[in-house]
Amino acid sequence: AQTVTQSQPEMSVQEAETVTLSCTYDTSESDYYLFWYKQPPSRQMILVIRQEAYKQQNATENRFSVNFQKAAKSFSLKISDSQLGDAAMYFCAYGGSNYKLTFGKGTLLTVNP
Amino acid sequence: GAGVSQSPSNKVTEKGKDVELRCDPISGHTALYWYRQSLGQGLEFLIYFQGNSAPDKSGLPSDRFSAERTGGSVSTLTIQRTQQEDSAVYLCASSLFPSSGGNSNEQFFGPGTRLTVL
Repeated sequence: AQTVTQSQPEMSVQEAETVTLSCTYDTSESDYYLFWYKQPPSRQMILVIRQEAYKQQNATENRFSVNFQKAAKSFSLKISDSQLGDAAMYFCAYGGSNYKLTFGKGTLLTVNP
Repeated sequence: GAGVSQSPSNKVTEKGKDVELRCDPISGHTALYWYRQSLGQGLEFLIYFQGNSAPDKSGLPSDRFSAERTGGSVSTLTIQRTQQEDSAVYLCASSLFPSSGGNSNEQFFGPGTRLTVL
C-alpha cells in the first residue's frame, strides 16, 4: 500500500519570502501522479500543482514549483513571493493505478505580514 | 459552470441516528469519490464510483457505512447508527475519468459536510 508522509505539521513564512513544504511517499509502482492540494478555512480543496512520475522536469505553476526526486521518493512544494492568501493547509497526495488519492496529514502554512 | 456541491454543509446528530450526505458532481464527470477528513488528519478514502462499474468500497470503515450513486450522477453516503468517532468532514470529489496506469485526471472537490455526532 502507498503511504504519504508530511513531516512538517506547521510552517510559517514572511510575506514575499519563499517557503518549501516537504513530502515523501512510498510506492512500488513506476507510473503514478503526485499532487499538492490547498485547503483554506472554507474547506474547499484546490489543486495547486501536479507532477507526472514519468516526467523528469519539475512542474511549475506561477509562484508554485516542485522538486521531484523519484529515486528518493520526495516531492516538495516551493512557494515563492508568499502572499497572505497562501495561508492554508497544504496536502500532498499520491495517485496510482487504483485511482483513489492517498493523502498526507497536511502542513498548516501561516503567512506573516 | 457549477462545481461539486454537497449538502448539508453541516449536520449535527445524536448518537445512534442515521444520516444521509449528498453529493452532486460536476456534470459529465463519470468518476465520483468520497473521502473522510477527521480532525488533524489527512483525507481518508472511503468509496469510488466509475460509470456503471461496481463501486470500490474498500475504504468504508464498517458496514454502517454505505453509498449509492443514482443515474451515474448524484451520490448519497449513508451512515447508520452513528457513533461519536464518525464525527468528521466528509468530502466528495469528481473527475472526468481515471486513466489506466495512473490517476492523471484532477479530482475536483466539494466543500464538504461537517458531521458532528453528539
